[in-house]
Amino acid sequence: QSALTQPPSASGSPGQSVTISCTGTSSDVGGYNYVSWYQQHPGKAPKLMIYEVSKRPSGVPDRFSGSKSGNTASLTVSGLQAEDEADYYCSSYAGSNSYVFGTGTKVTVL
Amino acid sequence: EVQLVESGGGLVQPGGSLRLSCAASGFTFSSYWMHWVRQAPGKGLVWVSRINSDGSSTSYADSVKGRFTISRDNAKNTLYLQMNSLRAEDTAVYYCARDSGHYAPDYWGQGTLVTVSS
Repeated sequence: QSALTQPPSASGSPGQSVTISCTGTSSDVGGYNYVSWYQQHPGKAPKLMIYEVSKRPSGVPDRFSGSKSGNTASLTVSGLQAEDEADYYCSSYAGSNSYVFGTGTKVTVL
Repeated sequence: EVQLVESGGGLVQPGGSLRLSCAASGFTFSSYWMHWVRQAPGKGLVWVSRINSDGSSTSYADSVKGRFTISRDNAKNTLYLQMNSLRAEDTAVYYCARDSGHYAPDYWGQGTLVTVSS
């Protein structure tokens, strides 16, 4: 149950795009299409942004998109806005009724 | 509106016990799997435990297996986490979260802080 690997930080100017990677193994990310992404602002609870690799819950802007290739999943935020500045975590089902989160990425809007 | 409100956190000595509660409202609690997820100060999210809708199936992270017990009372719309043999490394904000049905927690509470220290 090792944490999924994410870059510690990412940044972009308003209007630009930023992509965050999430690398796991064939036992988690690569083995299931159950990758999700969460946004967390300081002192707040996480918010689900993407589930099942690329699906958006109701109310999440379509600027947020997800994808997966092999053992690596990605979250892209297009048209960056100031309110997108937050920590982002990936998560994956890891089999045997267990789950694993990523190490987290701090997104800065320049 | 879905609401999840955790309680029961506080300061406890190493080796001690604590029971967290999570009061659910705004949805049919008995129909949903539930999770506990924790976050140490300044650190990332870590999945702790999951329970199915009727409480008959539970699972745990290796780091808490044998020490923590997740349970639920569907009549009281409440989720619990019994934590025994607490260690300093268990210090964290503990969140309860509802499973979306898609192997991903969707709604989260605001968390309750557990501090393990002498």
